[in-house]
Amino acid sequence: AQTVTQSQPEMSVQEAETVTLSCTYDTSENNYYLFWYKQPPSRQMILVIRQEAYKQQNATENRFSVNFQKAAKSFSLKISDSQLGDTAMYFCAFMITGTASKLTFGTGTRLQVTL
Amino acid sequence: DVKVTQSSRYLVKRTGEKVFLECVQDMDHENMFWYRQDPGLGLRLIYFSYDVKMKEKGDIPEGYSVSREKKERFSLILESASTNQTSMYLCASSEHRGFGTEAFFGQGTRLTVV
Repeated sequence: AQTVTQSQPEMSVQEAETVTLSCTYDTSENNYYLFWYKQPPSRQMILVIRQEAYKQQNATENRFSVNFQKAAKSFSLKISDSQLGDTAMYFCAFMITGTASKLTFGTGTRLQVTL
Repeated sequence: DVKVTQSSRYLVKRTGEKVFLECVQDMDHENMFWYRQDPGLGLRLIYFSYDVKMKEKGDIPEGYSVSREKKERFSLILESASTNQTSMYLCASSEHRGFGTEAFFGQGTRLTVV
């Protein structure tokens, strides 16, 4: 069974600063995908960024980037130039290739961006 | 834009009632999912379906059943609601199978069983 661990239940960052959210996972599979999803107070879950395990290059989407360390089974999310709209729950998620796209989620990190 | 619509944002039901949570997606996605979200536990998969009339158990199927009679609609059924089923329920859909495709979520139904 796959597990995803987010060890930071809550974090806070000042506007315009950089913050890193941690995620580790455990699997014996070699082909998989990793995701970060964001859930703002509106409850609408949206995809932030996706990483394919076979790609060594770290994924980047504007102010969001990941540090993917496959050997260490680590997948952290870096948010640069934090904005008030980044305040949300962030979930790390894992998907094995070829399993009907089932996602296994971590417990989430609540991020508060302050002035 | 993909839209996943859940029939209710808030629902209050009595213990022992049969409860139906409805989810409709408008992008012809093959896959549909029901997750339960609880504080400190994240999202846990209850049931999923990758085709009409097909269903598979997720990690916590006990006390739940599902129905998928049409491709766009996936219903979660609580046969006899209990207080430990008070939670946030999220429906999601995605296309294809296992190729890292994005899951699109509804806005959730916060169910309270009293």
